[in-house]
Amino acid sequence: GQQLNQSPQSMFIQEGEDVSMNCTSSSIFNTWLWYKQDPGEGPVLLIALYKAGELTSNGRLTAQFGITRKDSFLNISASIPSDVGIYFCAGRRTNAGKSTFGDGTTLTVKP
Amino acid sequence: DTEVTQTPKHLVMGMTNKKSLKCEQHMGHRAMYWYKQKAKKPPELMFVYSYEKLSINESVPSRFSPECPNSSLLNLHLHALQPEDSALYLCASRGRLAGGRAVYNEQFFGPGTRLTVL
Repeated sequence: GQQLNQSPQSMFIQEGEDVSMNCTSSSIFNTWLWYKQDPGEGPVLLIALYKAGELTSNGRLTAQFGITRKDSFLNISASIPSDVGIYFCAGRRTNAGKSTFGDGTTLTVKP
Repeated sequence: DTEVTQTPKHLVMGMTNKKSLKCEQHMGHRAMYWYKQKAKKPPELMFVYSYEKLSINESVPSRFSPECPNSSLLNLHLHALQPEDSALYLCASRGRLAGGRAVYNEQFFGPGTRLTVL
């Protein structure tokens, strides 16, 4: 089956630092999604990407759809304590298809 | 109303109990999903309903029984569960919703029901 490799598994950073995480796959995806999950809550959609090479921002978050269609990146600039949580990437091959999730990146921000 | 609600928030049940999880959305979304999530793991798809009909069953054991009474409601009936079924159960709906400055046609998740099977 399709698998996504998400890295890093965890990050411990100082408030104010920038963060980068990525997902790679051996298969092509036509949609990449980035979610954030706080403890005890459901994942919240941050950014959706639909075109290879697309670069999309949502506030301090920027995500890119890799040119090869096999990877995606999420950057967070000037991290703040409320950025703490688990970030999941997800890929989808067709519009009606299922999403495949990465294993998540756990972000800890030290004040 | 731009959210997916789930009840109860927490549920503790014995292995012989019968219980139900409920999910509701009033965004007009016509696809609804059940996921199971273990701690520090990604959500695992269980069922998909499209236009109130079951379209995907990811080989889920029959002790989990989904039901979609109408386009706004999704239930998950539980019977004779095992302790390893303890997890966060997430409901999601898929449709158009604004996120930031964009409008997406993607899955939006509820807060989940934390299930503990004793």
